[in-house]
Amino acid sequence: DADVTQTPRNRITKTGKRIMLECSQTKGHDRMYWYRQDPGLGLQLIYYSFDVKDINKGEISDGYSVSRQAQAKFSLSLESAIPNQTALYFCATSDPRSDTQYFGPGTRLTVL
Amino acid sequence: DQQVKQNSPSLSVQEGRISILNCDYTNSMFDYFLWYKKYPAEGPTFLISISSIKDKNEDGRFTVFLNKSAKHLSLHIVPSQPGDSAVYFCAASEQSGSARQLTFGSGTQLTVLP
Repeated sequence: DADVTQTPRNRITKTGKRIMLECSQTKGHDRMYWYRQDPGLGLQLIYYSFDVKDINKGEISDGYSVSRQAQAKFSLSLESAIPNQTALYFCATSDPRSDTQYFGPGTRLTVL
Repeated sequence: DQQVKQNSPSLSVQEGRISILNCDYTNSMFDYFLWYKKYPAEGPTFLISISSIKDKNEDGRFTVFLNKSAKHLSLHIVPSQPGDSAVYFCAASEQSGSARQLTFGSGTQLTVLP
């Protein structure tokens, strides 16, 4: 079984809709991250969390919110989706003893 | 402004030859560097890393070289295999308080031709 899972894997939605992307991990890591990837660009950090009570904004947090429901779960919400939020979204986890991050398979989001 | 740059969007190499992927950075505070590999429809997977106290790290067919004075690192794959065809991302991090965040380059698509 995959260590980091993301649901859904694909989602098509309309402008103005609120949607949630979910991430679960079985690695037992405290640290979790949400990134987006646009064509021709690297991964950009949206939000990160170092434990259940610690949530931090990344470089592109506008238009997004997150919830850390438990050590193993970290959800990303788009409050009112817009077309330029069409992208690949990746969740990742890391162990504080290491800088290596482990990624989920990604969610392809299309906002029409 | 991009702090981590991969100036070659794509690279094609013949099977069995060496693949060299390059990465430049501008932030002199970066002290840890990683390479990730990404296949289509999958998330990036960690490949190899190097600390700024080293100039070379080797793992099997993969070697990463770091030139701090030039703010440049490279990934060498020898010999290249068709299964190495993927997008390769360079990433860098610096310590900021108790946090470390990764800054990614835009990726290089490697194609290994049989």
